[in-house]
Amino acid sequence: GENVEQHPSTLSVQEGDSAVIKCTYSDSASNYFPWYKQELGKGPQLIIDIRSNVGEKKDQRIAVTLNKTAKHFSLHITETQPEDSAVYFCAAARTGSARQLTFGSGTQLTVLP
Amino acid sequence: ETGVTQSPTHLIKTRGQQVTLRCSSQSGHNTVSWYQQALGQGPQFIFQYYREEENGRGNFPPRFSGLQFPNYSSELNVNALELDDSALYLCSEGSYNEQFFGPGTRLTVL
Repeated sequence: GENVEQHPSTLSVQEGDSAVIKCTYSDSASNYFPWYKQELGKGPQLIIDIRSNVGEKKDQRIAVTLNKTAKHFSLHITETQPEDSAVYFCAAARTGSARQLTFGSGTQLTVLP
Repeated sequence: ETGVTQSPTHLIKTRGQQVTLRCSSQSGHNTVSWYQQALGQGPQFIFQYYREEENGRGNFPPRFSGLQFPNYSSELNVNALELDDSALYLCSEGSYNEQFFGPGTRLTVL
């Protein structure tokens, strides 16, 4: 089955700096890669996703890049703000009748004011 | 905010008991998935229901079972609870494209 590894497990940045979180996946058939933000006491919130026919996608301060050859994808957050502090999860899935997401282990991002 | 609601918010059970968790959606998606999230880990896929039929299952034993109703609300049932079943249980709606999660039910097994 699919295996997703995520690094780093914790990340502290100064407000205004950039943050980068990296994930690798094992199943070459995976073609959908979402990123979720989870705040304390809440469920994961979808913040951005990318499909395998695209190498990069951007939404305001958030961008995701995908390298299918190397089987890795990354989340980039620019101009970080204290409200960006949360746990971030990457995930991977393949097209099929069941959209089963395989998640990474999470990154605790802390933005220091 | 998603349209997915889950109940109860918190639940405490003892080992060997049975539990039923509930999930409903305002948008009425015909696909619902359940995930287990242990403390400090990413969510793990339990199973998915599509139009009231199980449509994919993760690596969980048969004592984890589910139902989806005609109004697309869903239940997760866990029999013979074990200490390791303590976790946040999440349901999500959506299928081919995005999946949107509810706030979860925190289950503690003593």
